[in-house]
Formats: sequence, C-alpha cells, structure tokens
Amino acid sequence: DAKTTQPPSMDCAEGRAANLPCNHSTISGNEYVYWYRQIHSQGPQYIIHGLKNNETNEMASLIITEDRKSSTLILPHATLRDTAVYYCIGQGDMRFGAGTRLTVKP
Amino acid sequence: EAEVAQSPRYKITEKSQAVAFWCDPISGHATLYWYRQILGQGPELLVQFQDESVVDDSQLPKDRFSAERLKGVDSTLKIQPAELGDSAMYLCASSLEGHNYEQYFGPGTRLTVT
Repeated sequence: DAKTTQPPSMDCAEGRAANLPCNHSTISGNEYVYWYRQIHSQGPQYIIHGLKNNETNEMASLIITEDRKSSTLILPHATLRDTAVYYCIGQGDMRFGAGTRLTVKP
Repeated sequence: EAEVAQSPRYKITEKSQAVAFWCDPISGHATLYWYRQILGQGPELLVQFQDESVVDDSQLPKDRFSAERLKGVDSTLKIQPAELGDSAMYLCASSLEGHNYEQYFGPGTRLTVT
C-alpha cells in the first residue's frame, strides 16, 4: 500500500496552469494513483486516476513519472472555482492524507 | 446524474447519547464506504462494505461504533454512546466494485457532540 506525500498548500493565478505534485515512492507496480478534490463543506470529488501512462480528461491531466514514484496533477487553466484541497491516493488502501490546499487567486 | 444521498446533513447531540447516520449509495454500486473527517484533516476510512459484507473495519472503534448494510443497498452508521471527540463530518461513498473504480461521495453529515 502506498503512502503519499503532498505539499500542504499552493497558490496559483487565475487562468494559469496549476501543477500539484505528489510523491508515492512506495507504490506497488499494479497500484493505481487516484486524485480527488474537496471544495469547502462538500464531499470529495473524483478527478482522475492512472497507472503508468499519462492521462487526460475534461477536468485535468495526470503525469506519472516513469519510475512511478511521483505524479503531477495539472489543471491547465485554473479558475477561482478550482480552489480546494486536492488529495493524491494509492489505490491499495485509499487512505487520504492532509492533501494540498490550492488557492486560485484573481 | 445519480448521487450518493446522506441524512441528516447536520446533527447536534449530547455526549452519551446515541446517534445514527444513513447513506443511500448510487444504484448498482456494490462497494460502500464510511469515512470520518475531522476539521483540517483528510477523510479517514471507518468501514468498507462489499454488498452486505464488511471488507475492512480495522479503523472502526468497535466499542461504540457499528455499521450495517443489511440488504446490500443502503447503510446505517451508529455511535453509542457519543463522545465529544466524535464531532466531525461523516462521509459516505460508493463505487462500482472495490478499489478498482472511483468513489462517489455524498454531501456528508456534520456531527456536533456537546
């Protein structure tokens, strides 16, 4: 089961790309990485997940390093509504840490 | 779009009283999760069901907490007796089957124990 490490907070200017890093050096070879976000006072929301290849959907892109020890969630054009806590989780135990609090500023 | 339903949204109770939360997952989702989230922290898994069976309750304080999913659909989480430290958000989530699928979360129940 993977333990993940994320910076506690980040700022991003509105309209710019937000790049949120996650370290998961203990992830096993067949364990997916999941990303969720939680807007204040709401339940977490699924964003994206991946195994080895980079992934993209309508919400974000996920870049996973070749050694799978880290990944980066990319919000290409951050808006004020993207202000939230972002969680990176290993599939094996789905245990949430404290996440990264992203603040998008005008 | 289908959603996970939870009730009540807010609950205030006195310590030593019993309290219960209800969750109705998305139709067809075999896996149901209960999480507890203390302010400023990430959600902590309390119990995971696969259909009506408990898969993981290793973090559930079994002396006071209980959970059931009798027909493999909706679920109830109970605390008896409630303690001041139980004040938190209780989140329910569901997924198609196990960890291979993304979880969909409900709005949560905010519990305040006085």
